[in-house]
Amino acid sequence: AQSVTQPDIHITVSEGASLELRCNYSYGATPYLFWYVQSPGQGLQLLLKYFSGDTLVQGIKGFEAEFKRSQSSFNLRKPSVHWSDAAEYFCAVGAAGNQFYFGTGTSLTVIP
Amino acid sequence: AAGVIQSPRHLIKEKRETATLKCYPIPRHDTVYWYQQGPGQDPQFLISFYEKMQSDKGSIPDRFSAQQFSDYHSELNMSSLELGDSALYFCASSFQGAPYEQYFGPGTRLTVT
Repeated sequence: AQSVTQPDIHITVSEGASLELRCNYSYGATPYLFWYVQSPGQGLQLLLKYFSGDTLVQGIKGFEAEFKRSQSSFNLRKPSVHWSDAAEYFCAVGAAGNQFYFGTGTSLTVIP
Repeated sequence: AAGVIQSPRHLIKEKRETATLKCYPIPRHDTVYWYQQGPGQDPQFLISFYEKMQSDKGSIPDRFSAQQFSDYHSELNMSSLELGDSALYFCASSFQGAPYEQYFGPGTRLTVT
């Protein structure tokens, strides 16, 4: 069965510090992987996606993620966090039938 | 660029009432998906439609029904509302040729009292 695990429920970083949000997936075939960001009361905004090819994908807002098949991971990174990055981050896997399976999310707090 | 439109943005209903949520996909998108996100939860897939036909079904309660119309907009009908139905309901749309390029709307926040 497909599943997505985000081990960190909440992360706090200082503004300007680097960030890594972890995501592990379980899927039988080649996964389609996504990271979404959600600000309070808002919809989901796509940050980046991985379908195939280069395992390091670049997204919007300076985010990147690396697909590691051997570790079943798709971690999100940003070299320098801005206060506006504070939000909820969801990792998702696209499965057969076009369904998305989301992780439980990681809440990011950025301190000045 | 045009985005997915959902209406209403907020809805308050009482238990046992009915509610209808509407979703207008991005122009030329032919597939619509509905998701439910409970408080502090991740979004859960409910149902999807392609060319007015149900294409996939997730954890949608029997009290809920949905359809897609000829203009590709979709409506989620919820009856006999329960307190546990209080959630943020997202609609997403995509083009069938790119099913994983789902674009999400801002959501409808339903509160059942």
